[in-house]
Amino acid sequence: GAVVSQHPSWVICKSGTSVKIECRSLDFQATTMFWYRQFPKQSLMLMATSNEGSKATYEQGVEKDKFLINHASLTLSTLTVTSAHPEDSSFYICSAGRDRGSNEQFFGPGTRLTVL
Amino acid sequence: QKEVEQNSGPLSVPEGAIASLNCTYSDRGSQSFFWYRQYSGKSPELIMFIYSNGDKEDGRFTAQLNKASQYVSLLIRDSQPSDSATYLCAVTPFSGGYNKLIFGAGTRLAVHP
Repeated sequence: GAVVSQHPSWVICKSGTSVKIECRSLDFQATTMFWYRQFPKQSLMLMATSNEGSKATYEQGVEKDKFLINHASLTLSTLTVTSAHPEDSSFYICSAGRDRGSNEQFFGPGTRLTVL
Repeated sequence: QKEVEQNSGPLSVPEGAIASLNCTYSDRGSQSFFWYRQYSGKSPELIMFIYSNGDKEDGRFTAQLNKASQYVSLLIRDSQPSDSATYLCAVTPFSGGYNKLIFGAGTRLAVHP
């Protein structure tokens, strides 16, 4: 159990376009999901915490108007990169918590975004 | 000072040896400690977590936590080439609920035959 999927697994887009990434918990309900970004040879950096039915909490330095997060149901959170630019090219990874009282997070396989 | 520090490596060990990976953290209030393994181009996968001081063993892996020294380590016994990956240490500042994971930069482990 505790499987998290992401779609798409990779995407290439033109500069200025918007890209939506989906994160789904397949066999459990996730009231909280997390979005991370990882640049090459760097660690995962938390971008935002997504709570079902409420606004996401963004980390310092992350533009909430550029990275739109929607957590519409207990199994789905989406990240939309608006007006993407080449510097947004990165590996975006979501995770979900399953058991309240446990800090364990289950990670999706990641989405590699390349902005031309 | 970074919140979670790891030696970037690479740590090179021969097959069958013990690999020792170390991590220090700055927030003395940190409660939960995780070790993840990440293969190149893949997302992290959980190896194990530890909450209490002391050792926790799971198969070939042993996590060690010393809260007084703000230090957590991971030992891999009988290292295999398939263990070659980047190992990420992560901590959460509070216990209970869902709290963000603060990751270290990771230590690259290379196990050579």
